[in-house]
Amino acid sequence: GAVVSQHPSRVICKSGTSVKIECRSLDFQATTMFWYRQFPKQSLMLMATSNEGSKATYEQGVEKDKFLINHASLTLSTLTVTSAHPEDSSFYICSARRFSGKDTQYFGPGTRLTVL
Amino acid sequence: ELKVEQNPLFLSMQEGKNYTIYCNYSTTSDRLYWYRQDPGKSLESLFVLLSNGAVKQEGRLMASLDTKARLSTLHITAAVHDLSATYFCAVDRVGAQKLVFGQGTRLTINP
Repeated sequence: GAVVSQHPSRVICKSGTSVKIECRSLDFQATTMFWYRQFPKQSLMLMATSNEGSKATYEQGVEKDKFLINHASLTLSTLTVTSAHPEDSSFYICSARRFSGKDTQYFGPGTRLTVL
Repeated sequence: ELKVEQNPLFLSMQEGKNYTIYCNYSTTSDRLYWYRQDPGKSLESLFVLLSNGAVKQEGRLMASLDTKARLSTLHITAAVHDLSATYFCAVDRVGAQKLVFGQGTRLTINP
């Protein structure tokens, strides 16, 4: 149990376009979902925390208008990278938690974004 | 602010040897996690340590937690090549939802 999926696994896009990444909890309801970003050979950096039905909480330095997060249901959160640029190329990983603050995070397989 | 530091950041070792990765954190936490990451892949959960003195073992890996020292260790016994990966520790901050990750330890085990 506790499986999290992401789609797509890889995406290549042109500079200036928008890209949407989906994160789904397949066999549980996720009260909270998290979006991380990982540059090559670096650690994971939390971008934002989203709770179902409410606005996401962004970490300091993360542009809200550039990284749009929607958590419309208890099993789906989306991250949209708007007007993507080459510096947005990264590995994006989502995670989901079942119960508020009392459960571990379950990580998705990640999405490799390359912006040309 | 909660900070998590791992050392060493890079570790190259021979098969059959033992070694330990250290994870220090700066403030009280609820739980400590160890993850493994292979190149191009996401995180694989290894251990969750909940209380002082907790010790967990899986195969050649053993993790322990000392909450008074704010220190966790990941010990590798008789390393094999398949254990080559990057290992992260992460800490749940008390009262907060989010995990704070260490820098990661890139482990290379040579035949």
